[in-house]
Amino acid sequence: GAGVSQSPRYKVAKRGQDVALRCDPISGHVSLFWYQQALGQGPEFLTYFQNEAQLDKSGLPSDRFFAERPEGSVSTLKIQRTQQEDSAVYLCASSLGGVGTQPQHFGDGTRLSIL
Amino acid sequence: TQLLEQSPQFLSIQEGENLTVYCNSSSVFSSLQWYRQEPGEGPVLLVTVVTGGEVKKLKRLTFQFGDARKDSSLHITAAQPGDTGLYLCAELRNTGNQFYFGTGTSLTVIP
Repeated sequence: GAGVSQSPRYKVAKRGQDVALRCDPISGHVSLFWYQQALGQGPEFLTYFQNEAQLDKSGLPSDRFFAERPEGSVSTLKIQRTQQEDSAVYLCASSLGGVGTQPQHFGDGTRLSIL
Repeated sequence: TQLLEQSPQFLSIQEGENLTVYCNSSSVFSSLQWYRQEPGEGPVLLVTVVTGGEVKKLKRLTFQFGDARKDSSLHITAAQPGDTGLYLCAELRNTGNQFYFGTGTSLTVIP
């Protein structure tokens, strides 16, 4: 497709389970961002990749959160030992160039619910 | 932690009315973006403003960047139901890699 694709769209997990969220950016886009959006709030930055390099992971809330982009295209956000406070929409965005040089294009997100 | 303040938080108006929403920070923006997000979708970029005092128009939407680059406003003329959504401002800090989003203004335009 032409846009950023995220899967699954919805994920329900029990507290303590591990989850993996996938992002397929627009082909050729160098930059990839992950955000966490709580209900009624704006997105909060989690991490940033330029190609395969994770240049900024300062927004990851704990060491249970891990992101990778091994070949510089598809990215996976993994959350280990999920907690109820992890329930949120996880958004992925990509842009053609470096941060701030080109617009970010967002996917429609994965809505994660932890029971 | 949300570092940008947006107001009002919620706004419900009748079709055809005008409205203004605001985005404020205690620090200077290097650049500011406005997005609209509809339920179940990701944010969509509307505009980027860079220069203090800058005004940009996008059909019925007028975006203004404050002279001191610490505030911005979005004015919608003759609102339509299709304008309904969450309006977000976001700034790119000089430190580099992070876009900081505001808390958003949830707009409902009633037909």
